[in-house]
Amino acid sequence: EAGVVQSPRYKIIEKKQPVAFWCNPISGHNTLYWYLQNLGQGPELLIRYENEEAVDDSQLPKDRFSAERLKGVDSTLKIQPAELGDSAVYLCASSQKRLYTQYFGPGTRLTVL
Amino acid sequence: GQSLEQPSEVTAVEGAIVQINCTYQTSGFYGLSWYQQHDGGAPTFLSYNALDGLEETGRFSSFLSRSDSYGYLLLQELQMKDSASYFCAVRDQGQNFVFGPGTRLSALP
Repeated sequence: EAGVVQSPRYKIIEKKQPVAFWCNPISGHNTLYWYLQNLGQGPELLIRYENEEAVDDSQLPKDRFSAERLKGVDSTLKIQPAELGDSAVYLCASSQKRLYTQYFGPGTRLTVL
Repeated sequence: GQSLEQPSEVTAVEGAIVQINCTYQTSGFYGLSWYQQHDGGAPTFLSYNALDGLEETGRFSSFLSRSDSYGYLLLQELQMKDSASYFCAVRDQGQNFVFGPGTRLSALP
């Protein structure tokens, strides 16, 4: 069984540029999470999807961040424009509905110069 | 608000038994998970406790006391490959997971 796939693995951009991250969850997993992880800290939830519905986006900075999960499978997280403080690892995770085990992808390490 | 506390670092020698504690204050509680993350890697699931008591999975055990808002992860027969960061995470009333700051475990030969 393939795990959670994320791309790109690394991204370096200049501030004020846009950037997008892509996630393909494990087949059959209805729930998809996007997290932000700063160095030496735990993951922080940005948004949670149940199928194609964003059921919790309260922590997503909506002035610059957006996300979508068309057809309830793949998801894209976008930042426009990026700021220096956005440098972090962006993790995607998926789980089966109502189950507690999350499976994480390898993450995208973003560096904003 | 929601907060979880863990020791920032733990060091032990190979073969030792290591305990990593986690205390939490959250608006709701449905369970406590533990994840392992090696440097540069993805967090991987270790265990989950929804009820009080001890859950055992091989060399790893996890304990929960809901009345004390406290849990711990126990690693037996510590190995070098166990050197990693360990995160506790509370499943809250919104069915989301709130992660702790992490504990960096270093195994010494």
